[in-house]
Amino acid sequence: GAVVSQHPSWVICKSGTSVKIECRSLDFQATTMFWYRQFPKQSLMLMATSNEGSKATYEQGVEKDKFLINHASLTLSTLTVTSAHPEDSSFYICSARPRGLADWSSYNEQFFGPGTRLTVL
Amino acid sequence: GQSLEQPSEVTAVEGAIVQINCTYQTSGFYGLSWYQQHDGGAPTFLSYNALDGLEETGRFSSFLSRSDSYGYLLLQELQMKDSASYFCAVIMDSNYQLIWGAGTKLIIKP
Repeated sequence: GAVVSQHPSWVICKSGTSVKIECRSLDFQATTMFWYRQFPKQSLMLMATSNEGSKATYEQGVEKDKFLINHASLTLSTLTVTSAHPEDSSFYICSARPRGLADWSSYNEQFFGPGTRLTVL
Repeated sequence: GQSLEQPSEVTAVEGAIVQINCTYQTSGFYGLSWYQQHDGGAPTFLSYNALDGLEETGRFSSFLSRSDSYGYLLLQELQMKDSASYFCAVIMDSNYQLIWGAGTKLIIKP
């Protein structure tokens, strides 16, 4: 099956610092990757859609200058939380949509990484 | 706006059957997906309906009625490991963006 990894799995940082989270598709190429954040006991909120080689599309209310997304290759997307503050503490999850999805999977539209738990002190 | 409604919590007994409903109002619709999420973990895909009717995958089945903007997830022969949150999500467009429901916490009692 398709595997997506995230690194780090958890991170604690001081307020004002920047944190980079990597999302990798390990055994497939992903033309599109999605970034979500999830607060405890709440649903996933889509932050941005990232297409390889182009600028990310941010959802309304998400600050693009604060949450920098780079999708430099077909297997890697990064999310950088700049000048992190305690209110940015959350569970960040990425997902990837395989290139040529219809060829081998009609139903699994997205494959999710294990998530990164960010705590800002 | 976009909205998906599902119950916040459902309780069932081990070995029983439980149905989790989902109604949606979205500007676009390609299909309805269901995901399972255990505490502290990432969502895992369960099922997907693009057309009306029932899709069966082992102990899990999912149903969709596009005319009613309604779907449900049916879990049979419940096991303690099925205790988790279950999310319905609508695929909005050809970019496969997902709009998520708030999730249903399934509590299973022995």
